[in-house]
This record gives sequence, structure tokens and C-alpha cells, in this order.
Amino acid sequence: GEDVEQSLFLSVREGDSSVINCTYTDSSSTYLYWYKQEPGAGLQLLTYIFSNMDMKQDQRLTVLLNKKDKHLSLRIADTQTGDSAIYFCAEESDMRFGAGTRLTVKP
Amino acid sequence: NAGVTQTPKFQVLKTGQSMTLQCAQDMNHNSMYWYRQDPGMGLRLIYYSASEGTTDKGEVPNGYNVSRLNKREFSLRLESAAPSQTSVYFCASSVYAVMYEQYFGPGTRLTVT
Repeated sequence: GEDVEQSLFLSVREGDSSVINCTYTDSSSTYLYWYKQEPGAGLQLLTYIFSNMDMKQDQRLTVLLNKKDKHLSLRIADTQTGDSAIYFCAEESDMRFGAGTRLTVKP
Repeated sequence: NAGVTQTPKFQVLKTGQSMTLQCAQDMNHNSMYWYRQDPGMGLRLIYYSASEGTTDKGEVPNGYNVSRLNKREFSLRLESAAPSQTSVYFCASSVYAVMYEQYFGPGTRLTVT
């Protein structure tokens, strides 16, 4: 089947930018997503991007999509301790999620 | 407006026992989903219901059955639990069967011994 892959861990200092990367294999997906999961909770949709876009900005979040390389990234500007969570990328066509990247923000 | 609710929050079963996980949403959504989350594997779709009266298999349906009881409720049944079904189970709903704007419940942590 098609896969969605992410690195498992990222650690940054408060105030730095965080960049979480994701690769996917199904080029037919119309939407690609970023979800956030805080401890003991379900997933919360952070943002999504249409496959015909290269970039989407939403306050501190910037999503970049490289369709040729099937690479998606999420940049969080001015990362705060409250951003510590697991971040999942997902693609729409098979409703597949990556394994999640655990972001740790150090004060 | 409670969103998506799941019961129970925690459950321990012995191998071979059966149980039903309940999910309800009060957002008048058409589509509902069941996922399992295992460490290092992200979420995997078990079954989904695009609309009331329909159900379809996802990536990992073996060992599970579902019922879309009405528009609000979507249950997941384990007929004969196995240790490989130890996981956290999430229910989700959306207005239509696309992933964006899926709303997730808080999860059910199931352990099968």
C-alpha cells in the first residue's frame, strides 16, 4: 500500500522555528493534512493544503508542498512550550497517517 | 455540544472475550470513522461509514465489525479479542467523507491480556 513517513522526534528551544517533514507516496491525494495530538487527547486538525498549492500560511504555521518530490513540511514560527505535542501528517486518498513526530520544546 | 464522545475510556479484556466500543457525535455529521493508534505506527483506519446505512473497510478491518446504528452512533465490535488488538481506538466524524475537518473523540485505551 501507499505510505506516509515522518521522522519520530524533534527537539527545539523556545522561540526557535520548528520544521516537521513528511513524505508520501500517493500522488492522487487532493488534500494533505497536519494534525496535532496532545497527551491523552484525540487528534486536532491544524491545517491542510490542496494538492495544487505550493504553500499555505496560517498565523505561525507555514505548510510547504513539493508535489514533484512528494514532500510536505510544517513550519512553526516562534515555537512555544505549548506547541509540545505529536504532529501527524496525513493524506486524503487512503486516509493514511504518518507515525507522528514528537515535538519537544525546551524553555 | 459535546462533539465526539467515546465509551469506555479504558478497558481490559482477556483473550477471546468480546466487547463493543461506542461512539456518538452530536454535530449532525454524515461520516464516521474508527481508527487504531499503535506506538510508532500512527493511526490506521479500521472501518468508516460515509453516510448512514453504509460501512466500508479501511486498512486494518480484520477481527472487527461495525454498526452505523443511526446518524449519531457508530459502534466497533471485537468478537474474540486478541493481544494484537491492544491499542488506543479513536472514533472521528466529518460532515462528508473527506478527511479535512475530521473531529476526533478522546479515545478508548484497550488492553487484551
